[in-house]
Amino acid sequence: GAGVSQSPSNKVTEKGKDVELRCDPISGHTALYWYRQRLGQGLEFLIYFQGNSAPDKSGLPSDRFSAERTGESVSTLTIQRTQQEDSAVYLCASSLQGLGYTFGSGTRLTVV
Amino acid sequence: GENVEQHPSTLSVQEGDSAVIKCTYSDSASNYFPWYKQELGKGPQLIIDIRSNVGEKKDQRIAVTLNKTAKHFSLHITETQPEDSAVYFCAASTGGFKTIFGAGTRLFVKA
Repeated sequence: GAGVSQSPSNKVTEKGKDVELRCDPISGHTALYWYRQRLGQGLEFLIYFQGNSAPDKSGLPSDRFSAERTGESVSTLTIQRTQQEDSAVYLCASSLQGLGYTFGSGTRLTVV
Repeated sequence: GENVEQHPSTLSVQEGDSAVIKCTYSDSASNYFPWYKQELGKGPQLIIDIRSNVGEKKDQRIAVTLNKTAKHFSLHITETQPEDSAVYFCAASTGGFKTIFGAGTRLFVKA
């Protein structure tokens, strides 16, 4: 597609439930990134993919967070046993050769 | 470790005035410096970028300058308009696949 698509745009979940966030990058973009943005804050790096592999998982906050990418395309970020501190906007971006990023509009996750 | 510092955190200007946001980076191997604008409820959008072999780049009302010796770069917005109100992020990259972002500057343009 023309841009990076994320779904759902909003997600409200109960504490302790698992959630899956989806990112469809721009076709042909080899690099894909996940960031977390808390209200009024900056961009917190979570993970990036080069193709289907994840050379850098250093930003994942805990083992409750995991991500995968298949077909050098769609990526899914999974948060298990959600906690209230997981509430944030989760942003996905893709890029060609790691330069300028194209971001999606994000998924706003609220854990109640 | 790698770090990008951005100042100010908040900037308020009158419509028509200029706005300047400054960033410093720590990794001397950085060679690509993009700037992003984030409007409310949206993801950041790339608005301008500069590479290390260039000292200045302009695109209409926005310009970016780079001083590699001092390891700092700046965003200049002239003739500001209310629609320029947003959060701006600077970033630095060594050309690999990891980009370090600044903490952001919230710009308010008062009509």
